[in-house]
Amino acid sequence: NAGVTQTPKFRVLKTGQSMTLLCAQDMNHEYMYWYRQDPGMGLRLIHYSVGEGTTAKGEVPDGYNVSRLKKQNFLLGLESAAPSQTSVYFCASNPIGAETSGRRIREQFFGPGTRLTVL
Amino acid sequence: DAKTTQPPSMDCAEGRAANLPCNHSTISGNEYVYWYRQIHSQGPQYIIHGLKNNETNEMASLIITEDRKSSTLILPHATLRDTAVYYCIAANYGQNFVFGPGTRLSVLP
Repeated sequence: NAGVTQTPKFRVLKTGQSMTLLCAQDMNHEYMYWYRQDPGMGLRLIHYSVGEGTTAKGEVPDGYNVSRLKKQNFLLGLESAAPSQTSVYFCASNPIGAETSGRRIREQFFGPGTRLTVL
Repeated sequence: DAKTTQPPSMDCAEGRAANLPCNHSTISGNEYVYWYRQIHSQGPQYIIHGLKNNETNEMASLIITEDRKSSTLILPHATLRDTAVYYCIAANYGQNFVFGPGTRLSVLP
């Protein structure tokens, strides 16, 4: 399994440009999440999804949109990028009810991150 | 979801046990305590989680007080590679994680 992958790894945008970040997981997880992390801070939840075709707002959703058309993919869109959206973006996923070695899996699995700079 | 508080930084000598405390005094009965760490700017790495019993795995041990208001993550023999930011999270069934600033652990040679 590749786990959780994110595309691209790095991106530089100009103010007002748009882009889409792709998160993919091959673990058949139901839940998926998008976080952002600013320097010296913990991760903050942007949006999340509890299943294919569903999305919900997290702590800092403004300026972002998401879609979950396929169970394995969770897209994060910036329609008009702003310098305040310069950050590292992390995707995560976790299952419902899955077990391994007799233990219920409850933790979130994180991707490697996308470093976005908006000039 | 309950918030957690952690010391901003700690040092530990290489080879010694690192004991990282976390306060979660408002945790509710169905919330688990999770520990993650983040090395440089990599994605957070899962370490361990528990509900009320102490837990141990190949990475660490988790000690939760009987009243569940605090916990301690123990890295039994810290190495330089354990230098990272450690996050303690209280959450229900692995959802709605709220990350604080964490504890920056420096393992010193």
